[in-house]
Order: sequence, then C-alpha cells, then structure tokens
Amino acid sequence: SQQGEEDPQALSIQEGENATMNCSYKTSINNLQWYRQNSGRGLVHLILIRSNEREKHSGRLRVTLDTSKKSSSLLITASRAADTASYFCATDRDTDKLIFGTGTRLQVFP
Amino acid sequence: KAGVTQTPRYLIKTRGQQVTLSCSPISGHRSVSWYQQTPGQGLQFLFEYFSETQRNKGNFPGRFSGRQFSNSRSEMNVSTLELGDSALYLCASGIAASLTGELFFGEGSRLTVL
Repeated sequence: SQQGEEDPQALSIQEGENATMNCSYKTSINNLQWYRQNSGRGLVHLILIRSNEREKHSGRLRVTLDTSKKSSSLLITASRAADTASYFCATDRDTDKLIFGTGTRLQVFP
Repeated sequence: KAGVTQTPRYLIKTRGQQVTLSCSPISGHRSVSWYQQTPGQGLQFLFEYFSETQRNKGNFPGRFSGRQFSNSRSEMNVSTLELGDSALYLCASGIAASLTGELFFGEGSRLTVL
C-alpha cells in the first residue's frame, strides 16, 4: 500500500521553467526522501529531509517538509530536458521500511 | 565503486514456471530490499534482508520468497508464475542498519509472464 501520494500525477513544462511536485502522507515519519526514475530504470536518491527540518537544498533542488500538514514539496528550478523522469517521495512509516508514493511524471520540453 | 547489479535484466516466462532473480549490493552494504513495480500498483515493498536475516516482508503471497547469502548477495524467487507477476523487480542496497536510510537501486529485472 502507498503511504505517499504525489501531486500532480503528470507535469509538462518548458526548459527553463520551474517544476513543483507535492507529496502527501498519512502517518508520522522520521524522514522523507525523494527519488528520481528515468523510464524503465532504477531509482536514484535525490535528497533526504528529516522530520525536524523544514527545508533543504541540493543544487537546483529544493525540498520542503510540513509535518503538521503531512506534506512535502520538491522544486526543481531552471529545469532541463534531462530532468524528464518520474519523481517519487518515500517515507519511513513505522521505521521498518521505505514506502514509496505513486510518483509524478515530469516532461520537460526543449 | 560498483553499483547495485541485478541479473538478468530481462526475462520472459510462461504461467506456472518459476523464476529466480539475483542482486549484488554495493560492496560493504549489508541491507538488501526488493520492490515490485507495476503501472497499476506502483512500487510495492516485497522484503528486506540484513546479514542473511529477513527483517521485514511486504504483503505478497508465499509464492514470493528470497534469501541473502553471507556475501550480502540476495536472490528472490517467484514460483508458479501468474500473468500479474509481470513487473519490474528492483533491488536496493543500504549501508545502514536502519531500514529507512538512503537506498541505492539497481537497474531492475523486467519479468514478462506470458
């Protein structure tokens, strides 16, 4: 069963624009992670944010976490065609395994 | 440092057969997790091994099983294959004893059941 739900399910933008995707979850967590998956490939870890953190940056990525609303957002600034991929949030419900959300498919047009 | 290696990358089986998938984690990683990915269900947790012990299991039937060897390599087996078992099977390794740290994924084994 999914713990996280990403929104939107799909997003299409032009190169240079910013892309924002959201993740909502149901139970309390210790940390939340974002992963990226190119079509049919493995997942690549992007960033981990702990429950006591509100914002984290990594290059063109900015992640926020609002534990009161049980939600997180991933912002990709100045997007590139190479950012085209699916993006998943993952939460550590029950601290015994990572549960992945449903994913957002991002398409960046050159 | 070599990444997570999964074999085979692609395979086709028929209903009723069984399949074994292999995963070699990153050197030094002792945790190996398995996930099934399908368009309809997304990424579903199968099981996780740490130091040859299964620490956690997802909600899958007993036809799905796995094991981990002393060198941390892991295998998963699916018996009596069904059409619905067609999926991308992803293996991930982790360095920490915690199950919820960063995971490093392989490229997956794409299973097609005819």
